Amino acid sequence: GAVVSQHPSWVICKSGTSVKIECRSLDFQATTMFWYRQFPKKSLMLMATSNEGSKATYEQGVEKDKFLINHASLTLSTLTVTSAHPEDSSFYICSAREDRKSSYEQYFGPGTRLTVT
Amino acid sequence: GNSVTQMEGPVTLSEEAFLTINCTYTATGYPSLFWYVQYPGEGLQLLLKATKADDKGSNKGFEATYRKETTSFHLEKGSVQVSDSAVYFCAARENTGFQKLVFGTGTRLLVSP
Repeated sequence: GAVVSQHPSWVICKSGTSVKIECRSLDFQATTMFWYRQFPKKSLMLMATSNEGSKATYEQGVEKDKFLINHASLTLSTLTVTSAHPEDSSFYICSAREDRKSSYEQYFGPGTRLTVT
Repeated sequence: GNSVTQMEGPVTLSEEAFLTINCTYTATGYPSLFWYVQYPGEGLQLLLKATKADDKGSNKGFEATYRKETTSFHLEKGSVQVSDSAVYFCAARENTGFQKLVFGTGTRLLVSP
């Protein structure tokens, strides 16, 4: 149980275009989802926290107009990188949590590698 | 906020060697502490956790003890296997608000036969 999927697993896009990444909880309802960015040989940096049906809360320094997050249902959150540039190339990871459970454990997706050319 | 520092890698060991990966944290309160493992091409998986001082988390032969006095949560395993080769992340979770996780930089472990 507690499986989180991401789609696509990798994507290449041209500079100036937008790309959408999906994060799905397959066997549980995710009241809260998190989006992280992972640079090579670096840690995971939290970008934003999203709760179903409400606006995402972005971490300091993350441009909310550039990284649009939508958590429209209890099983799906999307991250849209708008007007992508080469510096947005990175590994994006989502996690999901079922807040009814007091453990507050996050389950992680396998990640999406974005390359902007 | 919380921060986590863990030793730089890679850590290269022979099979059956003893493993220690150091992790220390700074926090204003008393966070919960975690070790996650990321195998090649896969997402992060929870390896073990501890929620209060002196708790010991253990799983698959790995152990870590929550040491409040030294603000540490070092990961240990008595005898590593080739299949343990992965990246290991130490993390701290604030126990208020969104219960966000803060990660260390990750330590790559390479185990040779």
